[in-house]
Amino acid sequence: QLQLQESGPGLVKPSETLSLSCAVSGGSISSGTHYWGWIRQPPGKGLEWIGSMYYSGRTYYNSSLKSRVTISVDTSKNQFSLKLSSVTAADTAVYYCARHDLTMIRGVVKDNWFDTWGQGTLVTVSS
Amino acid sequence: QSVLTQPPSVSGAPGQRVTISCTGSSSNIGAGYDVQWYQQLPGTAPKLLIYGSINRPSGVPDRFSGSKSGTSASLAITGLQAEDEADYYCQSYDSSLSGSLFGGGTKLTVL
Repeated sequence: QLQLQESGPGLVKPSETLSLSCAVSGGSISSGTHYWGWIRQPPGKGLEWIGSMYYSGRTYYNSSLKSRVTISVDTSKNQFSLKLSSVTAADTAVYYCARHDLTMIRGVVKDNWFDTWGQGTLVTVSS
Repeated sequence: QSVLTQPPSVSGAPGQRVTISCTGSSSNIGAGYDVQWYQQLPGTAPKLLIYGSINRPSGVPDRFSGSKSGTSASLAITGLQAEDEADYYCQSYDSSLSGSLFGGGTKLTVL
């Protein structure tokens, strides 16, 4: 049974870099069958897709966050990571990692859903 | 403001049928991209409820169904149960944004 678990600091200072990891168990990131993504949810608000990555390194980012986001993968540890730079209070949210079923046919997105989610971790941006 | 628009709240009595709408545009649902629906129970992570606009993952009751037409999609829940009280989110792909996006969410209250 596939499981994802987020980890990282719960408190980050403004202007610093938020760093989170997602450990995958019950499946292999390098199997090449899925992308792996990050989604966040500010307290009391809706969901926002941050970005997704394939094990080979191909990434897709939310255009509104692209200048500050880096998603990377460590296949040896079977985990992937999120870095969000220059954070402000607006980045305070529960951050979820998820398996992203993303397939394209001739460059056109066909399948696009998040089928397994981690439990989420709250990151607060405050001095 | 989400590009996918959902009603903030809907409600229904046990046993009734409710629908939740998700209105998009010509760059997402109207362009033919499928819609997904997620259920988020209080204090938990979202759970995939419908994928590919109409398909249910294994284990999701057939009380939940999805449909899509034009620039909109809908989630229908029949035989409403107290345990269905949750937030529901639609999700699709937007070609102008070149990425995935979620609706603003709908809170379902079972009266």
